[in-house]
Amino acid sequence: RKEVEQDPGPFNVPEGATVAFNCTYSNSASQSFFWYRQDCRKEPKLLMSVYSSGNEDGRFTAQLNRASQYISLLIRDSKLSDSATYLCVVTPYMEYGNKLVFGAGTILRVKS
Amino acid sequence: NAGVTQTPKFQVLKTGQSMTLQCAQDMNHNSMYWYRQDPGMGLRLIYYSASEGTTDKGEVPNGYNVSRLNKREFSLRLESAAPSQTSVYFCASSQERRLFFGPGTRLTVL
Repeated sequence: RKEVEQDPGPFNVPEGATVAFNCTYSNSASQSFFWYRQDCRKEPKLLMSVYSSGNEDGRFTAQLNRASQYISLLIRDSKLSDSATYLCVVTPYMEYGNKLVFGAGTILRVKS
Repeated sequence: NAGVTQTPKFQVLKTGQSMTLQCAQDMNHNSMYWYRQDPGMGLRLIYYSASEGTTDKGEVPNGYNVSRLNKREFSLRLESAAPSQTSVYFCASSQERRLFFGPGTRLTVL
């Protein structure tokens, strides 16, 4: 079983839609969680950290469910520019070190 | 402020050839990383350097060597390239719980 699993998608949604994807992790000792965004043929960039109480950044909301060992990303009012691959990242440490584990990513395509 | 830079952007090698991928960051970060990204798989850590003068193996180090030349530069060397090393290679540095990636090197080994 992979340490971090994501539905690869693609998720095809119309502009203005709300879309959510989950990421499950197997290491119950995981401490820190992140979502990165990767545009086609580009490098990944940090989208947001995921905090225990959940957090929001504009149209993006991230949640953590420790009991079921998954994190989620909700995007409201989808824009064409949200089309990208979303990577979840998990680490057992509070700092990065060499223990970051990346999911393979979920592809989102927003259509007009 | 260029962030993390990588050279070359593209490379085609024949099996058995060697090459060095260069990476530099101008953000004064201590930690630097080399990852590879393959279709359907998450980024996998090849080597990691917590600070100048130190390097550690990651998840997939076989067939690679690294040099942390100074605080800015972290190079990755393929001594004898194999088709299994065809991939996209990303260098990154980190500070305050955030990874900054370079633009990547697309390597094909024939």
